[in-house]
Amino acid sequence: DSGVTQTPKHLITATGQRVTLRCSPRSGDLSVYWYQQSLDQGLQFLIQYYNGEERAKGNILERFSAQQFPDLHSELNLSSLELGDSALYFCASSLRGTSGDTQYFGPGTRLTVL
Amino acid sequence: DQQVKQNSPSLSVQEGRISILNCDYTNSMFDYFLWYKKYPAEGPTFLISISSIKDKNEDGRFTVFLNKSAKHLSLHIVPSQPGDSAVYFCAARSRPSYNTDKLIFGTGTRLQVFP
Repeated sequence: DSGVTQTPKHLITATGQRVTLRCSPRSGDLSVYWYQQSLDQGLQFLIQYYNGEERAKGNILERFSAQQFPDLHSELNLSSLELGDSALYFCASSLRGTSGDTQYFGPGTRLTVL
Repeated sequence: DQQVKQNSPSLSVQEGRISILNCDYTNSMFDYFLWYKKYPAEGPTFLISISSIKDKNEDGRFTVFLNKSAKHLSLHIVPSQPGDSAVYFCAARSRPSYNTDKLIFGTGTRLQVFP
């Protein structure tokens, strides 16, 4: 158990809909990362937050947005969903979000768009 | 553009023998490399890492080798155990700025260790 929790574990929805994925970092960690893993692909970095502020952005679509709240939990919002958005979405956390920090991953949320 | 590549999607090894997982990268600016292990229905778990200033790092049964001139790294597991059966991801750190730690992952290699 990494100490990072993600809800829900599974989510099935339809094209055009909007969903919110939630992540609680390990106790004491200030930085949160979001990754997407599509079928047979590696994990693709989406976005990083540190203490409520966006720190780095990766290949995140404009239809996706994220935020980190004062209690340090984070939410990833996916809107106007398409079939290709079906994937595993992982959240990770680290202490400071700087180089050398180990990232601890949650169990992921499996999103299926029908 | 796949900057980190794991060209073997799967590997099967007998218990007690050596497992060698390979990874290639294209960006010479990567300064840190990591291996993560992933079991089904779980998130990736950090296994071992190596800085670009080193060519070898060892932790128990796990050793990572880095060949910077070839832009290649490998993970050796000796001896392999059935509990090592998992998907192994190679990752490289890309630092666009000093205060972030973005990882770029390969597509993974599924290791199966059989008795």
